[in-house]
Amino acid sequence: AQSVTQLDSQVPVFEEAPVELRCNYSSSVSVYLFWYVQYPNQGLQLLLKYLSGSTLVKGINGFEAEFNKSQTSFHLRKPSVHISDTAEYFCAVGSSNTGKLIFGQGTTLQVKP
Amino acid sequence: DGGITQSPKYLFRKEGQNVTLSCEQNLNHDAMYWYRQDPGQGLRLIYYSQIVNDFQKGDIAEGYSVSREKKESFPLTVTSAQKNPTAFYLCASSIAGINEQYFGPGTRLTVT
Repeated sequence: AQSVTQLDSQVPVFEEAPVELRCNYSSSVSVYLFWYVQYPNQGLQLLLKYLSGSTLVKGINGFEAEFNKSQTSFHLRKPSVHISDTAEYFCAVGSSNTGKLIFGQGTTLQVKP
Repeated sequence: DGGITQSPKYLFRKEGQNVTLSCEQNLNHDAMYWYRQDPGQGLRLIYYSQIVNDFQKGDIAEGYSVSREKKESFPLTVTSAQKNPTAFYLCASSIAGINEQYFGPGTRLTVT
C-alpha cells in the first residue's frame, strides 16, 4: 500500500528566507509524485510533478522539488519566500495502475514579514 | 475557459436531510473524484469514477452516494447516514489512468 508522510504540520519562516517542506512516501511500485498548494477556502493547485526523468523538478512560483528514490523523499524547496506563499501545501503519490492519489496531511507554510 | 466548477460555495443543512453537491468539468476528462477535507487530516477519497456509468468507493464512502450519468458531471449526495458531514468537499478530474488531478474550488458544507 502507498502512503505519504509530511514531516512538519507547520513551518514558520521569515520573508525572503529559504524554505524546505519535507515529504516521504512509501510504495512498492513505481510512483508519480506531486506537490499541490491550497490557499484558504480554495481548491488545490498543482505546483509541480515528478513522473520520470530528471530528479530535480521545477514548478510554478519559483518552487522546486527533488525526487530521492533511495530515501523515498520528495522535498519541496524555495530559495526565497514571499508573504504570498503563505498557504497549505500537500504532497501526493500516485501509481500508474490506479490513477488515484494518496495525499499527505499537509504542511502550513506561514511567511512572516 | 476550461475547468471544474462546484456549486454552491457554501451550503447549510439541518441534520437528517440529504444534500447534493454539484461538480461539473469541461476538460473532457474521463476520471472524476470526490474528496473530503477536514483540518489536519489532508484529503480523503470518498468516491471516484473512471468512466461514465461506473464508479468505485474510496476510503470513506459510508454515508455518501454518487452518480455518473454524463462525462462532465459527478454529483455527490451526502445522506443522513453520514455521521459527521460538516467538512470541505473537493471535486477533481483527470485523464483516465493519469494521476495529475485538477481541482474545483470546493464546497463548504455545514450541517447543524
